[in-house]
Formats: sequence, structure tokens, C-alpha cells
Amino acid sequence: AQSVTQLGSHVSVSEGALVLLRCNYSSSVPPYLFWYVQYPNQGLQLLLKYTTGATLVKGINGFEAEFKKSETSFHLTKPSAHMSDAAEYFCAVSEPLELGNTPLVFGKGTRLSVIA
Amino acid sequence: SQTIHQWPATLVQPVGSPLSLECTVEGTSNPNLYWYRQAAGRGLQLLFYSVGIGQISSEVPQNLSASRPQDRQFILSSKKLLLSDSGFYLCAWNGTPRNYGYTFGSGTRLTVV
Repeated sequence: AQSVTQLGSHVSVSEGALVLLRCNYSSSVPPYLFWYVQYPNQGLQLLLKYTTGATLVKGINGFEAEFKKSETSFHLTKPSAHMSDAAEYFCAVSEPLELGNTPLVFGKGTRLSVIA
Repeated sequence: SQTIHQWPATLVQPVGSPLSLECTVEGTSNPNLYWYRQAAGRGLQLLFYSVGIGQISSEVPQNLSASRPQDRQFILSSKKLLLSDSGFYLCAWNGTPRNYGYTFGSGTRLTVV
């Protein structure tokens, strides 16, 4: 069974500082990995995804994540935090397409606060 | 383009009352459809998913049920709400390729009083 662990339920950074949100996964097959962002009382929006190919993936709003198979990690980073980045972030894992329609498994989320 | 609609946006219901939340997808066919619940501090809990009309998989047996009467319609129901049913309910879909992430609706905030 697949699982996702997000280290830190709450991360606080200063505006302009590096954002690092940690995600580790467990999967018996090469995974597909995703990061979503959720603003208050809204649905989730896809930030970026890794399926195959280049292990460093770039997403919207200046975020990027690197798939590291040896570390079973998919950490999310942004060089310089902006006030508008304050939100909840979810990491998710799924099986590859050819294995069927297995639903995404989400982590518990990390709330990012940005301090002026 | 594909869009997903979820309503109502907010709902306050008394304990023991019925529930019906609706989700529809436009601009695609044969989507996979999902219902998630988000309770405070608990992340996203998958409740039901459907890969086709009349096909429902339940992840969490409880007093909720789901139905898919049409290809792009997914309904979440309850005959008698409990206080513990309060939360933020999210509908999502994905199409082809099926594992390339979900698109989420805007959610329904349910408060059971």
C-alpha cells in the first residue's frame, strides 16, 4: 500500500526566505507524485506533478520539487516566499497509469505561514 | 474545457436530517469521480470513488453513501446526519491519462448542529 508522510504540520517562514516543505512516500512501484495547494475554504489546486523523466519538476507560482528515489522524497521548494504563498500544501502519491485506477493517497498537509 | 461544479458551498443541517451533495463535471466523458472529506487537522479522507455509472467503491463504511446516476454526476448522501459528519467535502475528477492528478471542485462546508 502507498503512503505519504509530510514532515511538519505547520511551517513558518519570513517573506523572501526559502520555502521547504518535506514529503516522503512509500510505494512498492515507481510512483507518480503530486503537490497541491489549498487556500482557505477552497478546493485543491495542482501545483506540480512528477510522472516520468526529469526528476526536477517546475510548477506554478515559482514552486519546484525534486523526486529522489534513493531517499523516497519529493520535497517542495520555492527560493523566495511571498505573502500570497500562505496556504495549506498537500503531497500525494499514486500508482502509474498502467496499474489501474488507484485513487491518490494524500499526506496530512502542511500549513505554510509567511511572516512580513 | 473541463469544469467541475459542486454545490452547495455551505450547508448547516441538524443532527438526524438527510444530506445530498451534488457534483457534476462538464467537458469530458467517463471521468473517474471522487468524494473526499477534510476535517480539521486530519488531511484528506477518501470516502468514495467511481470509475463508471453505477460503480461505487467505498473506502470508509459509515452512514454516508454515494451514487452515480449519470456519467458526469456524483452524489453524496446520508439518511441521518451525525455531528461527526461535519467537515469540508470535496469532489474531484480525473480523466485520461487517469493518474495525471485530480481536478477538485470548490468544496462544500457542512456543519451539523
